[in-house]
Amino acid sequence: GQNIDQPTEMTATEGAIVQINCTYQTSGFNGLFWYQQHAGEAPTFLSYNVLDGLEEKGRFSSFLSRSKGYSYLLLKELQMKDSASYLCAVRQGGFQKLVFGTGTRLLVSP
Amino acid sequence: GAVVSQHPSWVICKSGTSVKIECRSLDFQATTMFWYRQFPKQSLMLMATSNEGSKATYEQGVEKDKFLINHASLTLSTLTVTSAHPEDSSFYICSARDLTGGSADTQYFGPGTRLTVL
Repeated sequence: GQNIDQPTEMTATEGAIVQINCTYQTSGFNGLFWYQQHAGEAPTFLSYNVLDGLEEKGRFSSFLSRSKGYSYLLLKELQMKDSASYLCAVRQGGFQKLVFGTGTRLLVSP
Repeated sequence: GAVVSQHPSWVICKSGTSVKIECRSLDFQATTMFWYRQFPKQSLMLMATSNEGSKATYEQGVEKDKFLINHASLTLSTLTVTSAHPEDSSFYICSARDLTGGSADTQYFGPGTRLTVL
């Protein structure tokens, strides 16, 4: 089987830094993606890792360790608008399908 | 980036009726599209992979006779929920692969369709 686990909920304060973890056990790994999703909307792409290490994109960074089956998304200088669900997804298979994790709801407070 | 549309954006139907949802790639050709379902406060669950010109590949536990998928052209895939029941009420999201972009993010999501079955 396959498991992609994330914490269910996290809270943080505006201006702070938060790290959202994702652990996975899947077959046919071909990259790990992070998406942001606001309620009632489609996911929007944030970051992508296929090799071990850190990828930085502005306020968002993502890290991957393939040997440990572990990734995290780091959000810096949190803003109220960052309150959303954050989904990690593993890409796998010949058709490059995305299998999503359980999702983390982040609440940013003033 | 590439644009994917879905129609309708929301639909309400009576139990026992069938509902068709369309997914279109507007500015690129998509040989592969994916259909997801999302229940409230849950993550996206992949239902099936839709391939142009061939049968869809369904994930384990998804009834292929209930969720009919047709990928008749390189820009259109349809999902038909047959004999819908209240438990089928959900947010259905499609995505499409763009093989020509060369970007890491080659899967683009539609805006989703909210289905409510009464």
